Amino acid sequence: AQKITQTQPGMFVQEKEAVTLDCTYDTSDQSYGLFWYKQPSSGEMIFLIYQGSYDEQNATEGRYSLNFQKARKSANLVISASQLGDSAMYFCAMRANAGGTSYGKLTFGQGTILTVHP
Amino acid sequence: EPEVTQTPSHQVTQMGQEVILRCVPISNHLYFYWYRQILGQKVEFLVSFYNNEISEKSEIFDDQFSVERPDGSNFTLKIRSTKLEDSAMYFCASSEAYSSESGRGEQFFGPGTRLTVL
Repeated sequence: AQKITQTQPGMFVQEKEAVTLDCTYDTSDQSYGLFWYKQPSSGEMIFLIYQGSYDEQNATEGRYSLNFQKARKSANLVISASQLGDSAMYFCAMRANAGGTSYGKLTFGQGTILTVHP
Repeated sequence: EPEVTQTPSHQVTQMGQEVILRCVPISNHLYFYWYRQILGQKVEFLVSFYNNEISEKSEIFDDQFSVERPDGSNFTLKIRSTKLEDSAMYFCASSEAYSSESGRGEQFFGPGTRLTVL
């Protein structure tokens, strides 16, 4: 079974500052993928960034980077130079890869609400 | 840019009634999913679908639920006899692949259908 834990119900950051959203996971799968999604108040789910369990480098996508520490089973999202439009709910999710225990199912954490102050 | 679409955006129904939620996945995607999100809670997996059959389903996806791909473009979720606790946002998602060691196989989500059961 897979489990994702996001321990920060809410986070606040000043505009233009960086913020880290925490995510820890637990799985028996050897190969897996980790994802972050953004959910603005309008409700849609927007894919942000992906990290494969065998990727040696941390993933980056523009202002988003993923601080992946496999031994600690953590996959924290770092948002640099926060913007007002970054205010949203952020979900960490994981998926077993081929040969794993599921067929693409995403398991989500509880989410973190990020508020960016001007 | 291709996107997943869902209709209706909001559905209100009486307890015990049948509802059908519709989704049009991205055209070259092969894997389709339904998730739900009860207000203020995390996103939960319901079912995955590939090659015209269910590949995985969760405990939530009981006999009251069914999925269908009636033609080459639509993907539907049917709830036969709705209960109050079925009130939630229902997301459809699709992906090119369900996993990849070298790629992402990320799931693209539709905007959701908010189901309200009275």
